[in-house]
Amino acid sequence: DQQVKQNSPSLSVQEGRISILNCDYTNSMFDYFLWYKKYPAEGPTFLISISSIKDKNEDGRFTVFLNKSAKHLSLHIVPSQPGDSAVYFCAASPKTAGNKLTFGGGTRVLVKP
Amino acid sequence: EAGVAQSPRYKIIEKRQSVAFWCNPISGHATLYWYQQILGQGPKLLIQFQNNGVVDDSQLPKDRFSAERLKGVDSTLKIQPAKLEDSAVYLCASSRHRETDTQYFGPGTRLTVL
Repeated sequence: DQQVKQNSPSLSVQEGRISILNCDYTNSMFDYFLWYKKYPAEGPTFLISISSIKDKNEDGRFTVFLNKSAKHLSLHIVPSQPGDSAVYFCAASPKTAGNKLTFGGGTRVLVKP
Repeated sequence: EAGVAQSPRYKIIEKRQSVAFWCNPISGHATLYWYQQILGQGPKLLIQFQNNGVVDDSQLPKDRFSAERLKGVDSTLKIQPAKLEDSAVYLCASSRHRETDTQYFGPGTRLTVL
């Protein structure tokens, strides 16, 4: 039972353009959402998060949008840079569960120069 | 600030053998997590410690997996005996507190079971 799904396993985008990564969840108890970035042979690195009381959070080139009614969130990277090439994981947590994260399967992003 | 340390980085064993992984969290972080990441999937939480106590081990296969965090700092995760399906990257993470605090991950240990 996959409670967090990333339906696009890979994404290729031109440098300077927008990258849009999508994530869907099924558990209505989730109220805190995060994106992690992972390079090969390294552990995931926290990128950005959003609480369910918001519908948008922005940090530099990265913006996360949350649509609670659709149980959907997305990550926008603008503009995309070659260094953004990595695997991106969406994760979700119910606050009542004390930071217990459920991860999606990941989306591999390739930014072409 | 030093990050989360893990060793070994790679381990190859045969099925039915035993293996242990070590994790040293970021100094001062009370909460420690072990995740299993199978190729092509996202990390799956195995066990969560708060100081030296277990707060969640609901997804830990307790018939073969065990973990401890003596003195509330370093932790070890053991598999005994290993199965082919245990081949994965084992990630350790730590956070300052439990409640929605950012988890910082180590580089992981890649286990191959032959």
